[in-house]
Amino acid sequence: RKEVEQDPGPFNVPEGATVAFNCTYSNSASQSFFWYRQDCRKEPKLLMSVYSSGNEDGRFTAQLNRASQYISLLIRDSKLSDSATYLCVVNMGSGGNNRLAFGKGNQVVVIP
Amino acid sequence: EAGVTQFPSHSVIEKGQTVTLRCDPISGHDNLYWYRRVMGKEIKFLLHFVKESKQDESGMPNNRFLAERTGGTYSTLKVQPAELEDSGVYFCASSQDRVRDEQFFGPGTRLTVL
Repeated sequence: RKEVEQDPGPFNVPEGATVAFNCTYSNSASQSFFWYRQDCRKEPKLLMSVYSSGNEDGRFTAQLNRASQYISLLIRDSKLSDSATYLCVVNMGSGGNNRLAFGKGNQVVVIP
Repeated sequence: EAGVTQFPSHSVIEKGQTVTLRCDPISGHDNLYWYRRVMGKEIKFLLHFVKESKQDESGMPNNRFLAERTGGTYSTLKVQPAELEDSGVYFCASSQDRVRDEQFFGPGTRLTVL
């Protein structure tokens, strides 16, 4: 079983619409969760950390469900500039280790 | 503040040759990581340095890969001899602390082995 599972898409989203996607992770002991954004041929950049209580940053909302081991991301009022790949990332580290496990990413294309 | 830098940005080599990738982390970041993305797959962890020590090298694929971080500053990743399946994008990342701190990624080195 993969450490982080994501449905890669693509997700074709009309401008102004809402899009949501999620991922599942295998390690129930994981403590830290993130969404990274990756533009074409660029490096991943942190979009937001994900907390158990859920967190919001402008048009972006992230949720964590520990019982079901899934993480979600919702983008409201999509902009053309939101077109990118969104990577679900879980810190698999323990005992001083700190490795990140990545999903394949959700490719989002916002259409005018 | 300068971000993580990697050199070269691209490298094309023939099977059997040697390639050395370099990563300069953000100044002051003790933690340095190497990751790799091969075509069609997710980004995968290779190893983690804390200063000059290897904290976790569980992701290194085989003994053709050698990573060093002498002096605890920049790091090199050498592939010798390179094989076709080593082609991919090699990312370096650094962080100040461990578990909850953001890992900042470099632009990556795109390696093509012919």
